[in-house]
Amino acid sequence: DIVVTQSPDSLAVSLGERATINCKSSQSVLYSSNNKNYLAWYQQKPGQPPKLLIYWASTRESGVPDRFSGSGSGADFSLTISSLQAEDVAVYYCQQYYSTPYTFGQGTKLEI
Amino acid sequence: QVQLQESGPGLVKPSETLSLTCNVSGGSIYSHYWTWIRQPPGRGLEWIGHISYSGSANYNPSLKNRVTISVDASKSHVSLRLSSVSATDTAVYYCAKDGSGFFFDYWGQGALVTVSS
Repeated sequence: DIVVTQSPDSLAVSLGERATINCKSSQSVLYSSNNKNYLAWYQQKPGQPPKLLIYWASTRESGVPDRFSGSGSGADFSLTISSLQAEDVAVYYCQQYYSTPYTFGQGTKLEI
Repeated sequence: QVQLQESGPGLVKPSETLSLTCNVSGGSIYSHYWTWIRQPPGRGLEWIGHISYSGSANYNPSLKNRVTISVDASKSHVSLRLSSVSATDTAVYYCAKDGSGFFFDYWGQGALVTVSS
């Protein structure tokens, strides 16, 4: 199985400041034939299901504010929120879909 | 807008079988994979398995031979069965739809299943 590890486990950022969450996979999730990274990011608020933010490591899902961006390639990735808003308080997960079983990071709790 | 709704018993006894159904509405069940994911209280997400509209399924080996996912395209239903449950199977169970890859762009609200005698 591909192990996905996020850092940090929790993060406190001031309103309007930048927040960065890291995600590392135990092996590359870059598929050479199409040059795509098989990695997604989700946001989960209390009592709600996860919400897809980013897929293919850097493609923003429709309707997701452009303050959210994904970067990285191979086995190292980041989710950045450029200017933190109060509604961004949540737990964030990365997920690899390069190979089954698809696996998630342990989550990063983002607070103000 | 695709909508997913999980349903089933909220309480299951140890050693019995957990059964959940996901009703798919607002979109076609065809040409997609449908996934079950679970989340124990206060913990992270675990992929259980998925199935195509044609019935081709793939499961998480961690669940060994306890899990079965099936699809009834005529009813737009996707079902989950997990046998020989124990307290460690207590979780919120989510139904989700795959996007253009095996990431998940639509999720149900989830169904809490507690395993207890």
